[in-house]
Amino acid sequence: DVKVTQSSRYLVKRTGEKVFLECVQDMDHENMFWYRQDPGLGLRLIYFSYDVKMKEKGDIPEGYSVSREKKERFSLILESASTNQTSMYLCASSLSWTHDNSPLHFGNGTRLTVT
Amino acid sequence: AQTVTQSQPEMSVQEAETVTLSCTYDTSENNYYLFWYKQPPSRQMILVIRQEAYKQQNATENRFSVNFQKAAKSFSLKISDSQLGDTAMYFCAFMKPRAGTYKYIFGTGTRLKVLA
Repeated sequence: DVKVTQSSRYLVKRTGEKVFLECVQDMDHENMFWYRQDPGLGLRLIYFSYDVKMKEKGDIPEGYSVSREKKERFSLILESASTNQTSMYLCASSLSWTHDNSPLHFGNGTRLTVT
Repeated sequence: AQTVTQSQPEMSVQEAETVTLSCTYDTSENNYYLFWYKQPPSRQMILVIRQEAYKQQNATENRFSVNFQKAAKSFSLKISDSQLGDTAMYFCAFMKPRAGTYKYIFGTGTRLKVLA
């Protein structure tokens, strides 16, 4: 089974702090994603990456950046955390786009609170 | 742009009964994929079932089946013989793969509670 591991289940940070959310997958997947989940809004894509050092903006990239230095690891960075970034963050991975219907495999999520 | 709509924010069903969750989507594409994902209270999202748009036959996975109506752009999930473990948030998702871009569009979710 694919395992997607997010480094923290819960994080509490202060406004203005730089925050790193880490995600590691163990199945050699090309694609990795960061989503934000908010009640009533579903999942919204922040960034995704289809290869090492490659990244594409999703629907809500403002205030976030990402890093993918190794295939198995995809980091989400909040350069200066703000209270409106309080949310659940979900990491996911999948096989390459050539596997058309490859599903997403999700991590357990990180509940981030910015005070 | 594609959109996915789940019009039922919350539903409940008695154990052992059948429930149907609705999902509609809007797209001008002809070939695409549709998914239902389940997120139990433990939070890890898992795939329930998937459907290729070019297949007319509805997908089934044990107690889970879909009613895929391509012309109506409808993709409902039927859960038969509901179990307490089916209590979860259910998300419908649309995906159109293209080289270099690989985006899913999710609905807002339906919270299903199975009652003992």
